[in-house]
Amino acid sequence: NAGVTQTPKFRVLKTGQSMTLLCAQDMNHEYMYWYRQDPGMGLRLIHYSVGEGTTAKGEVPDGYNVSRLKKQNFLLGLESAAPSQTSVYFCASMGPPFRNEQFFGPGTRLTVL
Amino acid sequence: AQSVAQPEDQVNVAEGNPLTVKCTYSVSGNPYLFWYVQYPNRGLQFLLKYITGDNLVKGSYGFEAEFNKSQTSFHLKKPSALVSDSALYFCAVRDMGRDNDMRFGAGTRLTVKP
Repeated sequence: NAGVTQTPKFRVLKTGQSMTLLCAQDMNHEYMYWYRQDPGMGLRLIHYSVGEGTTAKGEVPDGYNVSRLKKQNFLLGLESAAPSQTSVYFCASMGPPFRNEQFFGPGTRLTVL
Repeated sequence: AQSVAQPEDQVNVAEGNPLTVKCTYSVSGNPYLFWYVQYPNRGLQFLLKYITGDNLVKGSYGFEAEFNKSQTSFHLKKPSALVSDSALYFCAVRDMGRDNDMRFGAGTRLTVKP
């Protein structure tokens, strides 16, 4: 039982390049989330999904897109990376109801030059 | 929208002493409150939560937290700190009426010195 996994662990991009971050969970959770963590700002929600085929915007969605084609996977895409997107990205999943806690992946450290 | 404040960026305690990490929150409805811990280069790990009922909540690794509705606080406590408790701690709140909107505090770095 791997829990929540993220690929890749590290990545360096040049401004304007694109990439996709993959999150996978094996707990059969309905809900999945993408956060970014920046120093002194805690975690901020980028996008989330309440089930296969559905996605919604979070607090800071600009510059990111997501897809949830399979229940166990949640992809985060950067179409044209900017230095402001340098951050640590965390994926999380959760089963209903909403009083439950979220389970987090190990994170992806992204640097945009 | 709901929000969380962790007023201390850093908390330093000596091993064996009690520790407190402070958290205050703001929600329009009733809160679900959570504490998570993050060790270096790791994801967040769940410690404990308050949903309803007893205001004193006990969690993992000997941590506990007290929900105080009048002060809108949810401080994390431990009677006797360990060096291995040194980590980054996050408080989070979810408004019961806003299912998918959980807000995190900025985090408090706890350092326990031997």
